[in-house]
Amino acid sequence: SAVISQKPSRDICQRGTSLTIQCQVDSQVTMMFWYRQQPGQSLTLIATANQGSEATYESGFVIDKFPISRPNLTFSTLTVSNMSPEDSSIYLCSVEDPDIVAGVTDTQYFGPGTRLTVL
Amino acid sequence: QQPVQSPQAVILREGEDAVINCSSSKALYSVHWYRQKHGEAPVFLMILLKGGEQKGHDKISASFNEKKQQSSLYLTASQLSYSGTYFCGTVYIAGGTSYGKLTFGQGTILTVHP
Repeated sequence: SAVISQKPSRDICQRGTSLTIQCQVDSQVTMMFWYRQQPGQSLTLIATANQGSEATYESGFVIDKFPISRPNLTFSTLTVSNMSPEDSSIYLCSVEDPDIVAGVTDTQYFGPGTRLTVL
Repeated sequence: QQPVQSPQAVILREGEDAVINCSSSKALYSVHWYRQKHGEAPVFLMILLKGGEQKGHDKISASFNEKKQQSSLYLTASQLSYSGTYFCGTVYIAGGTSYGKLTFGQGTILTVHP
């Protein structure tokens, strides 16, 4: 499976500022995803990022708040803008890593996550 | 719409068995199971495609009942390392094809004691 890294691993930020989270994959992948996991909660999809096209955002998430870049097939960034304490969460990127032999195309693997605390 | 997992939490002693269920109100294309330990990323366990197949992974296996739109994760002879939160993720069918994105259940907290 693909090896995924994220930077930073954690950060503490002041309200009103912005943080950009990087996601790097060791192989080329078509589909990358950004999730938010609030404390003690499940994973919620923020957006799908495909190389060469605009990110597709889920209901409740907007580009002005969570701009995403996907400049190539191994890298993506998520920016959390104008932060408030409610943005304190773990942000995870994932990639779809198809298993052609098994005929499975939509298995997702997650990066280690970025733990964000907003004061 | 989020799939529903049950139970919300389960406590076991080493060697005991557990079953975690994941139910959907929508037609499913696939069900994905993950385990997340505290402070870590979710780790992929297995995927089940529609067709009612059962898969195994050491002493962890799962089934997919297409009629009931339900999947069950079976943990047998539990070990301390099984402790964590288990999530099912579902891919729905829309327009005859898979919708593509994962929707996660609320999670089941599994605690295994010595």
